[in-house]
Amino acid sequence: NAGVTQTPKFQVLKTGQSMTLQCAQDMNHEYMSWYRQDPGMGLRLIHYSVGAGITDQGEVPNGYNVSRSTTEDFPLRLLSAAPSQTSVYFCASRKQGIHGYTFGSGTRLTVV
Amino acid sequence: GNSVTQMEGPVTLSEEAFLTINCTYTATGYPSLFWYVQYPGEGLQLLLKATKADDKGSNKGFEATYRKETTSFHLEKGSVQVSDSAVYFCALSVGTSYDKVIFGPGTSLSVIP
Repeated sequence: NAGVTQTPKFQVLKTGQSMTLQCAQDMNHEYMSWYRQDPGMGLRLIHYSVGAGITDQGEVPNGYNVSRSTTEDFPLRLLSAAPSQTSVYFCASRKQGIHGYTFGSGTRLTVV
Repeated sequence: GNSVTQMEGPVTLSEEAFLTINCTYTATGYPSLFWYVQYPGEGLQLLLKATKADDKGSNKGFEATYRKETTSFHLEKGSVQVSDSAVYFCALSVGTSYDKVIFGPGTSLSVIP
């Protein structure tokens, strides 16, 4: 099993550009989430999904879109990148009924 | 609202020292509690968990007990190793249809030989 795979690992964007962060899991997990990690702030939930076709907003959803067309994939779209979106982004998944998440290795995004 | 407070770091210990990282929480209802660990350049890994009061989670020599009366979930290890150097996150989850996980800010631990 590959677990949770995130691509790319690093990305530099210019202000106003758009891009998609990819997340895929091969564990047949129902729940998937996107977090951003900023120094001194822990991880904050951006969007989450409880299954294919179902998504909802987390704590900091503005500027981001998600979709969940399959169980395996949960891409995060930045519509118009801003310097405030410079962060490390983590995707996580878990099986329904099982406590605790499996995290990907992260995408380090810099917006200049 | 729901929140997690952790002791500030960084924490520096000598190898074989005793480790305590304090964690307290505020939550509505009855949360599940977690400790995650993040090694340099990696994603978070679940270290241990407790889902009800007085439960003790343990893994790799680390332990934490869910204390409802003090709303705490302190992480302990009797003898740390250099390989334990990482950032440790306390977290809680509440909810029914979906558990929104709330993370603390993290505590950086450095263990020196």
